[in-house]
Amino acid sequence: DAGITQSPRHKVTETGTPVTLRCHQTENHRYMYWYRQDPGHGLRLIHYSYGVKDTDKGEVSDGYSVSRSKTEDFLLTLESATSSQTSVYFCAIRGQENQPQHFGDGTRLSIL
Amino acid sequence: DQQVKQNSPSLSVQEGRISILNCDYTNSMFDYFLWYKKYPAEGPTFLISISSIKDKNEDGRFTVFLNKSAKHLSLHIVPSQPGDSAVYFCAASSMDSNYQLIWGAGTKLIIKP
Repeated sequence: DAGITQSPRHKVTETGTPVTLRCHQTENHRYMYWYRQDPGHGLRLIHYSYGVKDTDKGEVSDGYSVSRSKTEDFLLTLESATSSQTSVYFCAIRGQENQPQHFGDGTRLSIL
Repeated sequence: DQQVKQNSPSLSVQEGRISILNCDYTNSMFDYFLWYKKYPAEGPTFLISISSIKDKNEDGRFTVFLNKSAKHLSLHIVPSQPGDSAVYFCAASSMDSNYQLIWGAGTKLIIKP
């Protein structure tokens, strides 16, 4: 299994609070991704990174920011959480182009 | 609009029989397709992929077929086993988007004993 760890695995918080999710990899892969998964949808890309300090927006980036200060860590921040951001969040990594992405086990986030 | 569609939310198959999961896409620029399998409370796991230069790729019990003219791909699982019960996602990508994945909504496969 690819060495990907997401933390926390579960979190419940209140509307308006800041939340940071962490993705840690031990594979030294260049690419890292944050997705959210909601019922009736496939995975939707929030942000991705193609190197240290190199990030870009995905399909559903509004309300989210990311940072990657080290190869192994990719952080996803909800500056002021809203109920619409209740979801399961997955981190993925990829080595070279045209290789499959490998996923962590997800973070279940509930915003009340 | 969905660029990748899995029109069957669920599929039930008898153990030992063939499972066929389908996926349609609209973007003719897609050139790399993948299938992932997902169990509850786990992340998706890569299963098999196919490049647009091929029309078939096989790995053990799993075969993916690509019909470019119909913009359709399918995953065949033969024979189906109880451990195959999971949600299957189809995903597509293209070189010009740096192989970012566009995902279907998934098909829940249930293998009946």
